[in-house]
Amino acid sequence: EAGVVQSPRYKIIEKKQPVAFWCNPISGHNTLYWYLQNLGQGPELLIRYENEEAVDDSQLPKDRFSAERLKGVDSTLKIQPAELGDSAVYLCASSTGSQETQYFGPGTRLLVL
Amino acid sequence: AQKVTQAQTEISVVEKEDVTLDCVYETRDTTYYLFWYKQPPSGELVFLIRRNSFDEQNEISGRYSWNFQKSTSSFNFTITASQVVDSAVYFCALCRSGTYKYIFGTGTRLKVLA
Repeated sequence: EAGVVQSPRYKIIEKKQPVAFWCNPISGHNTLYWYLQNLGQGPELLIRYENEEAVDDSQLPKDRFSAERLKGVDSTLKIQPAELGDSAVYLCASSTGSQETQYFGPGTRLLVL
Repeated sequence: AQKVTQAQTEISVVEKEDVTLDCVYETRDTTYYLFWYKQPPSGELVFLIRRNSFDEQNEISGRYSWNFQKSTSSFNFTITASQVVDSAVYFCALCRSGTYKYIFGTGTRLKVLA
């Protein structure tokens, strides 16, 4: 069974530029999560989707971050405009339900110059 | 408040040595889940184990074993006969039952030297 797929794996951009990350969850997993992981820290939840609905986006900085999961399968996380402090790893995870074990993708490592 | 503490920032061992990674958690809930994940250099968090707060039985899986003690709020992870491929950052996490919010520790970087 294929795991969570994320792309790109690495992204380098200049500050004020837009950037987007893509995630395809494990087949059959209705719940999808986006996490932010700063260097030397554990992941922190940004947003959770149940199918196509964002049921918890309380930790998402909405002034510059946005996300979508239009068909309830794959998802995109966008930052516009990017700031230096956004340099981090962005992880996507999925689970069969909100109370089930979360399985993570390899992440996208973002560097903002 | 919920909190997970992994006091060991980095551990280095020589191959074939046993190593224990500590995890101490804080919660007022009676029902919760504890997890361990491995994050190799490739970046992906690999699920290792999930333990229900009502199940204090220790678990062994190959070279891996976990010691869950509610009395000390600890969920320690031991790797027996460590191998170079075990080199990674290991995260302990806590999740309140009925929710989806994982509280991660800051991780322990394990270096296994050949």
